[in-house]
Amino acid sequence: NAGVTQTPKFQVLKTGQSMTLQCAQDMNHEYMSWYRQDPGMGLRLIHYSVGAGITDQGEVPNGYNVSRSTTEDFPLRLLSAAPSQTSVYFCASSLAHHPGNSNQPQHFGDGTRLSIL
Amino acid sequence: GENVEQHPSTLSVQEGDSAVIKCTYSDSASNYFPWYKQELGKRPQLIIDIRSNVGEKKDQRIAVTLNKTAKHFSLHITETQPEDSAVYFCAAAPYNNNDMRFGAGTRLTVKP
Repeated sequence: NAGVTQTPKFQVLKTGQSMTLQCAQDMNHEYMSWYRQDPGMGLRLIHYSVGAGITDQGEVPNGYNVSRSTTEDFPLRLLSAAPSQTSVYFCASSLAHHPGNSNQPQHFGDGTRLSIL
Repeated sequence: GENVEQHPSTLSVQEGDSAVIKCTYSDSASNYFPWYKQELGKRPQLIIDIRSNVGEKKDQRIAVTLNKTAKHFSLHITETQPEDSAVYFCAAAPYNNNDMRFGAGTRLTVKP
């Protein structure tokens, strides 16, 4: 298994441009999420999905869109890039919680380092 | 929503000493408390986790303790080695794992 794969690894954008960060997992995990990591602020949840067709907002969703058309893929879209969105973005996945089954650890991708000028 | 605070932000120890990192959380509905290690330029990797029905868990040199009444949990690393040097993150999540919140991280340096 490749685990969680993120592309691209690095990207530079100009203010106002749009782009999509790709995330794919081959572990048949129902739960997928996107985090951004900024110095001194840990990882902050942007959006998450508990299964195909279902998405929800996390702690810092503004300026980002997501969709979940398949179990494997969970792309993150920046609609109009702003310098404040310069960050390292991590995608993560896990088995979903089921009744009688406790929380499952999240597995992270290698990250996408995004700079917006 | 949940708020997780982590202390200290930096920690320097001598090889062989113990290191302790502490976290507090605000939401009593939080039920799952993982710890992640992140080396420079790498992905966060789970090193240990604890669930609310357990007070302590050990895995070789690493242990985590949880006090649900006080809403705090701690990571203990014994006999530290230079390869333990990294940034460590605590996190808290409710029973369904949908909204996991992370602490700001602790940069641990182990001096040989």
